[in-house]
Amino acid sequence: GALVYQYPRRTICKSGTSMRMECQAVGFQATSVAWYRQSPQKTFELIALSTVNSAIKYEQNFTQEKFPISHPNLSFSSMTVLNAYLEDRGLYLCGARTGTSAETLYFGSGTRLTVL
Amino acid sequence: QQKVQQSPESLIVPEGGMASLNCTSSDRNVDYFWWYRQHSGKSPKMLMSIFSNGEKEEGRFTVHLNKASLHTSLHIRDSQPSDSALYLCAASRNSNNRIFFGDGTQLVVKP
Repeated sequence: GALVYQYPRRTICKSGTSMRMECQAVGFQATSVAWYRQSPQKTFELIALSTVNSAIKYEQNFTQEKFPISHPNLSFSSMTVLNAYLEDRGLYLCGARTGTSAETLYFGSGTRLTVL
Repeated sequence: QQKVQQSPESLIVPEGGMASLNCTSSDRNVDYFWWYRQHSGKSPKMLMSIFSNGEKEEGRFTVHLNKASLHTSLHIRDSQPSDSALYLCAASRNSNNRIFFGDGTQLVVKP
């Protein structure tokens, strides 16, 4: 079956520092990886969509300078939160699929970011 | 971001009752809808998808889609306490791979 491993599960960082999270797809080719943030208030935002061999597309209010993403192959993607502040708190989720528009998105377990 | 609006924000139903959840997209070009379920402390898992007008049933779960009104609904009959979770609606266009989620309906099924 299709599985997505995401790590770390939770992380605490000091305000102004950075943290990186990683996703590993098992059992399928992760042609597309979408990164989301679910805030403590439960808003669910798309940060960016990464497709292998294409430019990464960031949504409004999210930038490569703040959330650099790497997607070097069909099984791995990582995202860094640079200079994290209180407003960056939340559950970060990676969702991966093989790439066609009607395919189901499989989520990793999420990385819960706490900023002190 | 394209908007996916869900209602109600929260819903309490008795065990054995019917839960009805709603979702509307603001994108007139949306082609696909999904319903995901997220138990507390877990990641979302796909429950059902619907791409054509009409109804689709899987066990106790039924989804409806009206593309003209960009509205989908999820109905859970004979609700069980284990159905208590955050239910997320997602929508996407055929022309791109971006999937947008609503903020969810928090369902509580009381024994």
